Amino acid sequence: DTGVSQNPRHKITKRGQNVTFRCDPISEHNRLYWYRQTLGQGPEFLTYFQNEAQLEKSRLLSDRFSAERPKGSFSTLEIQRTEQGDSAMYLCASSLEVTDTQYFGPGTRLTVL
Amino acid sequence: GENVEQHPSTLSVQEGDSAVIKCTYSDSASNYFPWYKQELGKGPQLIIDIRSNVGEKKDQRIAVTLNKTAKHFSLHITETQPEDSAVYFCAPWAGSYQLTFGKGTKLSVIP
Repeated sequence: DTGVSQNPRHKITKRGQNVTFRCDPISEHNRLYWYRQTLGQGPEFLTYFQNEAQLEKSRLLSDRFSAERPKGSFSTLEIQRTEQGDSAMYLCASSLEVTDTQYFGPGTRLTVL
Repeated sequence: GENVEQHPSTLSVQEGDSAVIKCTYSDSASNYFPWYKQELGKGPQLIIDIRSNVGEKKDQRIAVTLNKTAKHFSLHITETQPEDSAVYFCAPWAGSYQLTFGKGTKLSVIP
């Protein structure tokens, strides 16, 4: 399968703990995006990478969130000191060019107790 | 920023009937119009898209129509099947890096 993959698929954590998610984009896609989706809503943009450079961050991305794409391939999204409001589905997408279709992974469902 | 509205928010149809979902957007610079299907517990999956130089595109039972003057585009599903039951999102794109999604339409196909 050459689609976007995300790990883990589910994560349950206690408030105050740190969590890290991983996204592997489609091979050769140099654009990578993170979105967050809460129940009953559409995905909302968080941040965007072109190769290893993080070019845009949404106001939704508080200073407790950090994303990296060190070698321009896979990306990680870390949330520090998790809060109950962080509970959501975190989606990763990739595209070949910024004008191209974004293909989404299966998401990581985070539950903060 | 782009304002996106989808209607209806829920839609129930009998198997074999047609379904139409409408998406209205605000940014006249939008030039790419995808529709995504999301099944429970899964990520959005692109099902059809159209660019602004085309008014209609069809792929088997699925079609998208675009009216740029009125700033809306619609998803048409004919001969609906139970496996079409899902949440459908429009996400008009105006040339930036992000997609702006509507709130979704939950389609239920009743056997």
